Amino acid sequence: DAKTTQPTSMDCAEGRAANLPCNHSTISGNEYVYWYRQIHSQGPQYIIHGLKNNETNEMASLIITEDRKSSTLILPHATLRDTAVYYCIVRVPLIKAAGNKLTFGGGTRVLVKP
Amino acid sequence: GAVVSQHPSRVICKSGTSVKIECRSLDFQATTMFWYRQFPKQSLMLMATSNEGSKATYEQGVEKDKFLINHASLTLSTLTVTSAHPEDSSFYICSAQRASGGSDTQYFGPGTRLTVL
Repeated sequence: DAKTTQPTSMDCAEGRAANLPCNHSTISGNEYVYWYRQIHSQGPQYIIHGLKNNETNEMASLIITEDRKSSTLILPHATLRDTAVYYCIVRVPLIKAAGNKLTFGGGTRVLVKP
Repeated sequence: GAVVSQHPSRVICKSGTSVKIECRSLDFQATTMFWYRQFPKQSLMLMATSNEGSKATYEQGVEKDKFLINHASLTLSTLTVTSAHPEDSSFYICSAQRASGGSDTQYFGPGTRLTVL
């Protein structure tokens, strides 16, 4: 079972920031928060991951609460090409470690509108 | 970096035939590769974990004799769907994890759409 909960869907306005929430209240100390997205009929695309600190890369920012029980993925300027299903997953990233698997839940279906 | 390819991207076959799908990590070595299946309007479901040079570990409910996995090198894993039937029609996706330690990320291939007639 997925260890995260996300809204089923959300709409965003093109050019505005998109804030995608994720709850992971049972996260363990050695689990990272990963975000992937899947555009229709394609394989998932890695976006970003983090453990405790906020992270930023060329695609997005990840804000993790101090208690690590929830996080928010921020797409700073949403475009139509950002329309996809976004998955928030907690995982132990070490090879052959327990909890290494990626377990996909339902994700959030994000529709960016003009 | 971190590019994973799959071949073929789409395959149509007759019921009873076998189909082989290749997954390659193009610019990194992958000790571990994963195979997923995705039915329409559903999320990805992990089928098996493949470690280079050893037998794959299958998830509960996945038939190991039907879905043969070979991970012969650090850049190639193959999934063979044996005696395919229409209910095996699905989107098959692989992912690869780098061989180095640390907070390693899984990178996904573009997927293979299998249609069994």
